[in-house]
Amino acid sequence: AQSVAQPEDQVNVAEGNPLTVKCTYSVSGNPYLFWYVQYPNRGLQFLLKYITGDNLVKGSYGFEAEFNKSQTSFHLKKPSALVSDSALYFCAVRRSGGSYIPTFGRGTSLIVHP
Amino acid sequence: DAGVTQSPTHLIKTRGQQVTLRCSPKSGHDTVSWYQQALGQGPQFIFQYYEEEERQRGNFPDRFSGHQFPNYSSELNVNALLLGDSALYLCASSLAGSGNIQYFGAGTRLSVL
Repeated sequence: AQSVAQPEDQVNVAEGNPLTVKCTYSVSGNPYLFWYVQYPNRGLQFLLKYITGDNLVKGSYGFEAEFNKSQTSFHLKKPSALVSDSALYFCAVRRSGGSYIPTFGRGTSLIVHP
Repeated sequence: DAGVTQSPTHLIKTRGQQVTLRCSPKSGHDTVSWYQQALGQGPQFIFQYYEEEERQRGNFPDRFSGHQFPNYSSELNVNALLLGDSALYLCASSLAGSGNIQYFGAGTRLSVL
């Protein structure tokens, strides 16, 4: 079975400060990892993915994530937070090859204070 | 270029009724996946359609069924509605192939009374 844990329901950060949203995963074999963002009354929007290659993945809107195989983590980061980054963030994992079925975390609400 | 569109946006049904939700994928996409997102939870995979056939299915009962049409649009049908079926239903489209990015619609909010 595969699973995703987002240990923080909410992350608060001041505008201009760096932000981190945590994600750990469990999957048999090699993982495909994804981050999505959801704004109110909107569907999920893709931010970035890790399939293979460099452990540091750069995505949309200045976000990046680091794949750490030994810690089975894929934390989302941004050097300088904006108020407009306030939203719900979801981490997802699926096993490379075979079944497509992805597993999403419960989501982390990011609140950026002016 | 229209993204993924879903209809209706909101729906209210009573227990035991049946419902059909519709999805038009992003232009050029051939694969449609459906998800259920309960309040305060992440999306849960229901099933995926490709070439008009169900390719993968998550842990959902047979009350949940779907269809994909030749133009790649899709429907999600839920029979014998339960209160617990109340959720946001998301459709996502992509190109076939591993690791391809999914594009999500805004969802249909289903309330079962």
